[in-house]
Amino acid sequence: EVQLVESGGNLVQPGGSLRLSCAASGFTLSSYWMTWLRQAPGKGLEWVANIKLDGSEKYYLESVKGRFTISRDNAKNSLFLQMNSLRAEDTAVYYCARGEAGGGVHTFWGQGTLVTVSS
Amino acid sequence: EIVMTQSPVTLSVSQGERATLSCRASQSVGTKLAWYQQKPGQAPRLLIYGASARAVAVPARFSGSGSGTEFTLTISSLQSEDFAVYYCQQYNNWAPLTFGGGTKVEIK
Repeated sequence: EVQLVESGGNLVQPGGSLRLSCAASGFTLSSYWMTWLRQAPGKGLEWVANIKLDGSEKYYLESVKGRFTISRDNAKNSLFLQMNSLRAEDTAVYYCARGEAGGGVHTFWGQGTLVTVSS
Repeated sequence: EIVMTQSPVTLSVSQGERATLSCRASQSVGTKLAWYQQKPGQAPRLLIYGASARAVAVPARFSGSGSGTEFTLTISSLQSEDFAVYYCQQYNNWAPLTFGGGTKVEIK
């Protein structure tokens, strides 16, 4: 059974940092693009970043470029999102998802982890 | 950036009736269009990809159509478990991948 389990969400002050993790099981992580997406409270879905199978290509939402870094450890079946210089507008539930069709279609999602940026 | 616009924002439908949801892209995305369903407190679930292909285990009452800039998700006979928010997403142009604002299907 495919499972994605996010962790690392927390309350953090503006300007602070957090590192989110996503533990994958039930499939071979190295065979798939992986994505981070987010959903602000009461709002819609927003793509944040994705990473190619071997980590050789990464793409980011413009508003997080230079602040967020996506990475993966295929040997440990894990995906990460390092978030620095956090802003109030980064407050959201963050989901990791498995990508297909070249990474653009999100076939399996984790349950999400909540990041709250507030003083 | 490709802007995705969904209509209506809210759709009130009785159980057993047909529901038709629309999604428009600001420029052509071919058939690189997906639909997701999200229930309160849950992660989204993929329903449709390639504009019309049903994902694994998605009931046949869900169908997608369209190409270019105009797309439709149809639920042929609404069941109680179908009341949720539905999002379209284009994957023709990356960085960013973009979603529509969602259509909430509620009980009439």
